[in-house]
Amino acid sequence: GAGVSQSPRYKVAKRGQDVALRCDPISGHVSLFWYQQALGQGPEFLTYFQNEAQLDKSGLPSDRFFAERPEGSVSTLKIQRTQQEDSAVYLCASSFAPQKADTIYFGEGSWLTVV
Amino acid sequence: SQQGEEDPQALSIQEGENATMNCSYKTSINNLQWYRQNSGRGLVHLILIRSNEREKHSGRLRVTLDTSKKSSSLLITASRAADTASYFCATDDYKLSFGAGTTVTVRA
Repeated sequence: GAGVSQSPRYKVAKRGQDVALRCDPISGHVSLFWYQQALGQGPEFLTYFQNEAQLDKSGLPSDRFFAERPEGSVSTLKIQRTQQEDSAVYLCASSFAPQKADTIYFGEGSWLTVV
Repeated sequence: SQQGEEDPQALSIQEGENATMNCSYKTSINNLQWYRQNSGRGLVHLILIRSNEREKHSGRLRVTLDTSKKSSSLLITASRAADTASYFCATDDYKLSFGAGTTVTVRA
């Protein structure tokens, strides 16, 4: 596609429910990022993939958060046993260059509300 | 942790005026980037300035970088209603560290 595509755009989950957020990066982009953005804040880094390898997961807030990119293209961010503090926008981004400062293209985000 | 910190937090200007916002960061960088985020949307890359550059222009945008003061500024000239958005600076390496942003409101 022309840009980074994320789904669902909006998700309301009951506390304790598992959720899965999908990201389709720009075709051919090696690098894929997940960010979490709380209301009124800037995005916070969660994890980074270079192709299918998850090279950095230092930003994942707990072991309830899990991300994968098994074939080096589409990625899924899974949150198990959701808590209210998980309510945020989850942004996926991709760039062509591997582990090098480059223009990063963001998706529109998946808005998660945990009730 | 967020390395870039924008100032002011919010800015309201009249259409046609210039808007200036600043970004301060803590550690040395190789480059600094500015992004825009319209309400409810993803971030859009505006400009990247490298540590050996002092000033860069892109259309109505002008970015300066002062590595001795660890600060950068973004100037939007002749603002338009469509410039209403949050603006973020992000520092360095591949995974970007964002500040909390400056929310700019351009009044018609």
